[in-house]
Amino acid sequence: EAGVTQFPSHSVIEKGQTVTLRCDPISGHDNLYWYRRVMGKEIKFLLHFVKESKQDESGMPNNRFLAERTGGTYSTLKVQPAELEDSGVYFCASSPFRGLYEQYFGPGTRLTVT
Amino acid sequence: AQSVAQPEDQVNVAEGNPLTVKCTYSVSGNPYLFWYVQYPNRGLQFLLKYITGDNLVKGSYGFEAEFNKSQTSFHLKKPSALVSDSALYFCAVRDPDNYGQNFVFGPGTRLSVLP
Repeated sequence: EAGVTQFPSHSVIEKGQTVTLRCDPISGHDNLYWYRRVMGKEIKFLLHFVKESKQDESGMPNNRFLAERTGGTYSTLKVQPAELEDSGVYFCASSPFRGLYEQYFGPGTRLTVT
Repeated sequence: AQSVAQPEDQVNVAEGNPLTVKCTYSVSGNPYLFWYVQYPNRGLQFLLKYITGDNLVKGSYGFEAEFNKSQTSFHLKKPSALVSDSALYFCAVRDPDNYGQNFVFGPGTRLSVLP
């Protein structure tokens, strides 16, 4: 079974530019989560999809971040325009359905804004 | 609000010695607790979880953790450390009453196992 994949693995952009991160969850997983780790601090929740619907986006830092999940499959996270403080590692995770299940994480996308 | 503390940024242990990585949590109600490990240039890998039942939970790679409700702790342990255990370890909590079902993570503890 393929794991959670993320693309790109690393992105370097200038302040003010736009970047789109992609996450492909494990096939059949309804739940998809985005997290990020900034400057070696805690991994913080950004948002949660159930299929194509945003279940909880309380962790999104501001309206420069836009997440979508087309058809309940892969998800994209767009940052527009990027700021220096957006640098960090963005993780995607998926899980089968609500309940007791652990989340399966992708390798992360390291975003560097210069 | 939920929170997780990992009081040690770094833990050093000699190969073959027992290791402990500490975690304490704060959550209303009964928590769901998890440990994840991140090896260099890799994603987070699930190690073990506590949901209910026996306070001692066994997981992958010989790791175990003990849930202590009175001390609100969930320390990760291994009887005999390997150099290959060197990695970044994250404790996480889910509040079953949290509608969002997301994890709250601790800041991570870097484990170095010295040969």
